[in-house]
Amino acid sequence: NAGVTQTPKFRILKIGQSMTLQCTQDMNHNYMYWYRQDPGMGLKLIYYSVGAGITDKGEVPNGYNVSRSTTEDFPLRLELAAPSQTSVYFCASSYSQASYEQYFGPGTRLTVT
Amino acid sequence: AQTVTQSQPEMSVQEAETVTLSCTYDTSENNYYLFWYKQPPSRQMILVIRQEAYKQQNATENRFSVNFQKAAKSFSLKISDSQLGDTAMYFCAFRPGNTDKLIFGTGTRLQVFP
Repeated sequence: NAGVTQTPKFRILKIGQSMTLQCTQDMNHNYMYWYRQDPGMGLKLIYYSVGAGITDKGEVPNGYNVSRSTTEDFPLRLELAAPSQTSVYFCASSYSQASYEQYFGPGTRLTVT
Repeated sequence: AQTVTQSQPEMSVQEAETVTLSCTYDTSENNYYLFWYKQPPSRQMILVIRQEAYKQQNATENRFSVNFQKAAKSFSLKISDSQLGDTAMYFCAFRPGNTDKLIFGTGTRLQVFP
């Protein structure tokens, strides 16, 4: 199993540009999550999904959109990039609400200038 | 609001020694889970250890153990026989029992030196 994979690893965006961060898991997990990690801080939840077709907001959803058309994929969309979105983005997945562990991807470092 | 506090931004320890990282949390829930995650320079988040609030026995995973004090809402991580590969950021995280959302602390940067 590859686990949770994220692309790209790094990206530089100009203010106002759009992009999609890709996340795929091959563990047949129902739950998927997007977090952001700002310098010197812990992770904050942006959006999460409990299954295909179902998404919900986390703590910091503004400026982002998600979709979940398949169990495997959970892309994160930035429509109008702003400097405040400069961060490292992590995707994670877990099997079910009863599951203890979230498995994390390697992260995407995004810089908006 | 549920919060997680790690009051030690940085810690250092000599190889083979023992170090304890502190974590406190605030919640009115009775059913919850606590975790320590390790984030090495590679950025990959790795689960180190977890504790269920309903268990009185402290969790142990090889060289890693916790001191869980439910009344004090404290969840410290002890690393015994520290190794150079333990150098990383360590995050304490809290999950209410009725959700799958993780709430993270701000992390402690641990440096293990020879």
